Amino acid sequence: ETGVTQTPRHLVMGMTNKKSLKCEQHLGHNAMYWYKQSAKKPLELMFVYNFKEQTENNSVPSRFSPECPNSSHLFLHLHTLQPEDSALYLCASSQVGLAGGPNIQETQYFGPGTRLLVL
Amino acid sequence: QKEVEQNSGPLSVPEGAIASLNCTYSDRGSQSFFWYRQYSGKSPELIMFIYSNGDKEDGRFTAQLNKASQYVSLLIRDSQPSDSATYLCAVNSSGGFQKLVFGTGTRLLVSP
Repeated sequence: ETGVTQTPRHLVMGMTNKKSLKCEQHLGHNAMYWYKQSAKKPLELMFVYNFKEQTENNSVPSRFSPECPNSSHLFLHLHTLQPEDSALYLCASSQVGLAGGPNIQETQYFGPGTRLLVL
Repeated sequence: QKEVEQNSGPLSVPEGAIASLNCTYSDRGSQSFFWYRQYSGKSPELIMFIYSNGDKEDGRFTAQLNKASQYVSLLIRDSQPSDSATYLCAVNSSGGFQKLVFGTGTRLLVSP
């Protein structure tokens, strides 16, 4: 496997279900991200993890619960979702430099996404 | 609310022409600017990265940045039908370089 992988690629769930999305990066990066992409809307950053620690929660409802057990794996646990949560969920990773600031190596690379439909 | 604005298109150009995609942003503290290409049903893939004023060229692609005008553009020379996709402009937030703010994208159609 190379790059950033996500499973499942498609998911249909009812509002009372609990499911999890999985992301794995094979790039040796130290930062991982969850984004949501809804139709006709821009990509929205949800969560940022640096070195397994959550550094950003972009006012995401608690029905979305992220988990980052190590720098290569990221999960998004879903429970009691709403139909408006139907979207493409994208995982990304990057290499964060110690100095911070703009650097091509800090570019975010995206996985193929999970297409989620909440009924 | 920090915003990134793009014309949704579609922008239609004939094969071989130059496609010009534009983006404006509201956060004056932004330092890094990205262009991603997204084919229908696929995830975004990086095309260009720029953080200095002026032009940056990579093959058929040229990114242009004007921080004073808060404007970034992408030129695609010798457009090919395979360039037909949605082009997303992304800008890092002054609140953190990892916080990318995306535009809604411009759909480009290159006709043979």
